[in-house]
Amino acid sequence: DTEVTQTPKHLVMGMTNKKSLKCEQHMGHRAMYWYKQKAKKPPELMFVYSYEKLSINESVPSRFSPECPNSSLLNLHLHALQPEDSALYLCASSQEPAGGAYEQYFGPGTRLTVT
Amino acid sequence: ILNVEQSPQSLHVQEGDSTNFTCSFPSSNFYALHWYRWETAKSPEALFVMTLNGDEKKKGRISATLNTKEGYSYLYIKGSQPEDSATYLCASLYSNYQLIWGAGTKLIIKP
Repeated sequence: DTEVTQTPKHLVMGMTNKKSLKCEQHMGHRAMYWYKQKAKKPPELMFVYSYEKLSINESVPSRFSPECPNSSLLNLHLHALQPEDSALYLCASSQEPAGGAYEQYFGPGTRLTVT
Repeated sequence: ILNVEQSPQSLHVQEGDSTNFTCSFPSSNFYALHWYRWETAKSPEALFVMTLNGDEKKKGRISATLNTKEGYSYLYIKGSQPEDSATYLCASLYSNYQLIWGAGTKLIIKP
């Protein structure tokens, strides 16, 4: 199974809502990533988990809260978002931490709209 | 600030023609260069990861070269087919584990 799954595919939420994005992989990968991607821009790295521990937080606002319950799951909890947070949120995993010389496997993304 | 540039931003190619595009990256503290293909409504898919100067990798009709001294990589597609239409992203990894992405080259194959 070389698939990374993400749910939901689409999410519309108000600025006062609390929601969560989920990501799952069963490839035994030890690193998992959250990216934010706006139209016609490169993916922006948000968080990296290595061996279930947060290893990189790219100065992401606290309204985004990552969680890694186990080696296969990665969540992104959302609270009090702003309209400018509307974007495609991609999850990825790689065999070893921080990518290294290992390719990243991406999920299909969650298209988030904040109203 | 590290910046990865891809050119051109978009490219229209006639079916059957060969094409290539460029990824430019800072060469200091370079560790690895990744190429990904991203089709609309699908996940980005890894094509190549290269680390050594002079590396050349091939997957079917697609190949890539790497020059770490001057900081560029070329992606070549031979005999373009409609299914090659996608955005091709490169990303450069540095020794501090920072992975910097380019904005992509959008390739459209005209039948």
